[in-house]
Amino acid sequence: DAGVIQSPRHEVTEMGQEVTLRCKPISGHNSLFWYRQTMMRGLELLIYFNNNVPIDDSGMPEDRFSAKMPNASFSTLKIQPSEPRDSAVYFCASRQSMVGYTFGSGTRLTVV
Amino acid sequence: DAKTTQPTSMDCAEGRAANLPCNHSTISGNEYVYWYRQIHSQGPQYIIHGLKNNETNEMASLIITEDRKSSTLILPHATLRDTAVYYCIVPPGGSGYSTLTFGKGTMLLVSP
Repeated sequence: DAGVIQSPRHEVTEMGQEVTLRCKPISGHNSLFWYRQTMMRGLELLIYFNNNVPIDDSGMPEDRFSAKMPNASFSTLKIQPSEPRDSAVYFCASRQSMVGYTFGSGTRLTVV
Repeated sequence: DAKTTQPTSMDCAEGRAANLPCNHSTISGNEYVYWYRQIHSQGPQYIIHGLKNNETNEMASLIITEDRKSSTLILPHATLRDTAVYYCIVPPGGSGYSTLTFGKGTMLLVSP
């Protein structure tokens, strides 16, 4: 298994632009999580899905952030418009019930 | 999540055992202890988890005290590649937990 696949690995964008981060979970995993990591705040849970349904999005910082999971093999996290304070590493993770999380390699986002 | 307390940092000589402590005095009877680690620039990696019995896998051993108020993660023969931040997490809900909340963890530095 290729693990959790995230793209792109790095993204540099200008303030105000739309950014879309992508995640392919491990086949058969029924839960998907989006985390954000910064030096100041550490790892923060943004949103998680169970069986493609968003369960808890209380960690999404603002309405500028949105996430979708149209099917079991794909999820996106979109920021529109992006701001410099959104600069962080964004991780996607998936999990099968009763088992630990598997994280992707992350997307390093820089908003200038 | 049940509050966990870990030392900020620890040092270990290569080839020696690394013993990483974690206090979780408010843990409930059905709550598991999970350990993850994050190597620099990578996503967190699941290591091991346990309820009340000691556990061992190919990566590490987990020793949980009889009162379950603390635990120790043991890396029996630490290598330079074990340098990472180690997170001890006690998610609510037992084995059916939904999400993981990461604290600051312990930065383990393995030196030659």
